[in-house]
Amino acid sequence: QKEVEQNSGPLSVPEGAIASLNCTYSDRVSQSFFWYRQYSGKSPELIMSIYSNGDKEDGRFTAQLNKASQYVSLLIRDSQPSDSATYLCAVGASGTYKYIFGTGTRLKVLA
Amino acid sequence: DAGVIQSPRHEVTEMGQEVTLRCKPISGHNSLFWYRQTMMRGLELLIYFNNNVPIDDSGMPEDRFSAKMPNASFSTLKIQPSEPRDSAVYFCASSLLWGGNQPQHFGDGTRLSIL
Repeated sequence: QKEVEQNSGPLSVPEGAIASLNCTYSDRVSQSFFWYRQYSGKSPELIMSIYSNGDKEDGRFTAQLNKASQYVSLLIRDSQPSDSATYLCAVGASGTYKYIFGTGTRLKVLA
Repeated sequence: DAGVIQSPRHEVTEMGQEVTLRCKPISGHNSLFWYRQTMMRGLELLIYFNNNVPIDDSGMPEDRFSAKMPNASFSTLKIQPSEPRDSAVYFCASSLLWGGNQPQHFGDGTRLSIL
């Protein structure tokens, strides 16, 4: 059973701080990794995709991938109250076109 | 550009009734996914299509659920007969079919309540 694990939170950080969200996965040959943000009552919104080991930056967001250790993380710099949401980690299941989603980490940015 | 379009946005119906959810993927996308989200089980993949062909329906919970994709711009998810435990938010997502997993883009979802 391929799995994706996330801490459900809530993760509380003060405004302006760095929020660090982590995700581990079991499928050793997965090649595609995605972070989605989901506000309450809304649909998941793609934030980042990452396919290679290392860091990928996009504005205040940085995705980090370590395939050897089977984890992927999302850093949010200068966190804002508007970043308060649930963050879903998705891993492409090898040999298929589908994702395995984690259960999400709820982030609360305190003003 | 238009995103994934789902209808209806909300559906409230009585147990035993037939429910049909509709989805129009992003133009040019050739993979389509149906998900269900609940507090208890999170986001679950029900079925996905590549080039209008169902590839994996292992997530479809029971024979009461069926999905079709008659053409590249339209898909339906049907529940017949519906039960209260089917109450959830149902999302449709689409992506390009190219070189492995591509980013999926979600519609706004259908919030389904079965009384």
